[in-house]
Amino acid sequence: SQTIHQWPATLVQPVGSPLSLECTVEGTSNPNLYWYRQAAGRGLQLLFYSVGIGQISSEVPQNLSASRPQDRQFILSSKKLLLSDSGFYLCAWSTRGGGTYNEQFFGPGTRLTVL
Amino acid sequence: RKEVEQDPGPFNVPEGATVAFNCTYSNSASQSFFWYRQDCRKEPKLLMSVYSSGNEDGRFTAQLNRASQYISLLIRDSKLSDSATYLCVVNDRGSTLGRLYFGRGTQLTVWP
Repeated sequence: SQTIHQWPATLVQPVGSPLSLECTVEGTSNPNLYWYRQAAGRGLQLLFYSVGIGQISSEVPQNLSASRPQDRQFILSSKKLLLSDSGFYLCAWSTRGGGTYNEQFFGPGTRLTVL
Repeated sequence: RKEVEQDPGPFNVPEGATVAFNCTYSNSASQSFFWYRQDCRKEPKLLMSVYSSGNEDGRFTAQLNRASQYISLLIRDSKLSDSATYLCVVNDRGSTLGRLYFGRGTQLTVWP
């Protein structure tokens, strides 16, 4: 069965510090990968998605970036965090190809607080 | 206009009650529809897919009305453990990526 891991689970960082969040998927190959952010009391905002190694598309211009160095690894980064970067960061995967029923499955998330 | 709109609630119902949520979507070409459940401070989890003919999974029934572009979720015999936020989700038919659009969720609290 497929599993998706994220770490760390919780992170408190000062404004201006760098960020690196990691997501890995097991039990599947060539997945589509996604990074979402959920601010307190808000809906899910798609930040980045990837259909393959080195292929990253950005949905919202901001001070975050993403990379996919391996097929089942997805990394979210920032060089300098802003207060507005606080939120619940979720990684998700789906079967590549966008079939009719392309459910996405989420990792446990990282709760980031920027002070 | 938002891709997916839901009544945020909250819905507060007693155990054993029947409760229904609706959501509307804007892209008439959408082909995939889902309900996800999100517990407080947890990740969203797939509750059920919504099929054109409607489908049932135990106490949960999902319906799709393509003409009116809305989706519903009915929960019968509510349990305390049903308390959560329910997210209505619709795919972007035009994308081979499989992009999904999430509603902001409807909060349900079931009380004893």
